[in-house]
Amino acid sequence: GAVVSQHPSRVICKSGTSVKIECRSLDFQATTMFWYRQFPKQSLMLMATSNEGSKATYEQGVEKDKFLINHASLTLSTLTVTSAHPEDSSFYICSARLGASEQFFGPGTRLTVL
Amino acid sequence: LAKTTQPISMDSYEGQEVNITCSHNNIATNDYITWYQQFPSQGPRFIIQGYKTKVTNEVASLFIPADRKSSTLSLPRVSLSDTAVYYCLVGGNYGGATNKLIFGTGTLLAVQP
Repeated sequence: GAVVSQHPSRVICKSGTSVKIECRSLDFQATTMFWYRQFPKQSLMLMATSNEGSKATYEQGVEKDKFLINHASLTLSTLTVTSAHPEDSSFYICSARLGASEQFFGPGTRLTVL
Repeated sequence: LAKTTQPISMDSYEGQEVNITCSHNNIATNDYITWYQQFPSQGPRFIIQGYKTKVTNEVASLFIPADRKSSTLSLPRVSLSDTAVYYCLVGGNYGGATNKLIFGTGTLLAVQP
């Protein structure tokens, strides 16, 4: 199947700093990518839908100024957690849509804010 | 998007068949039923999708009754490596209207030797 990668796989940062997470579709072009957040022992929560060349659509309750999403090319979307705080520590997962339907998920990025 | 209800957890032993049932009473006419598998600290992986009756692939089978208000994921002869969380999603093709996937609580399947 299609492959989606994320970088970094794990990041530790100090409170107040910003962290950028990359999501790449390696062998296909994805006009739409999605970002999820998952806290320990909880389900995935959709944060936003990222469309190439346009502004992301955020789910209710997700601060767009805190979680900056850029989808500048058909194979790359980035999520920047600005001024990160310990409560932002979580597992961030992206997915990329192949064509009009199937989504493929990345391996996730573990963010720990000290 | 239709809400789904699954058991929080299930236990099984190696070699047994496991059936996980998902309730989706408010499923719409054009909704599909999709199941994903997630291992700890990994992204979800697509298992199977169906609309009605029975669907089978190399990994699992999906049984959907005529009223489509529930579905059952069947995993034949599970092994320890099948220990994971299994999510049932209902919506447009591949689990979500316009492909927006809304995950429910999932079922933690624990397979023991």
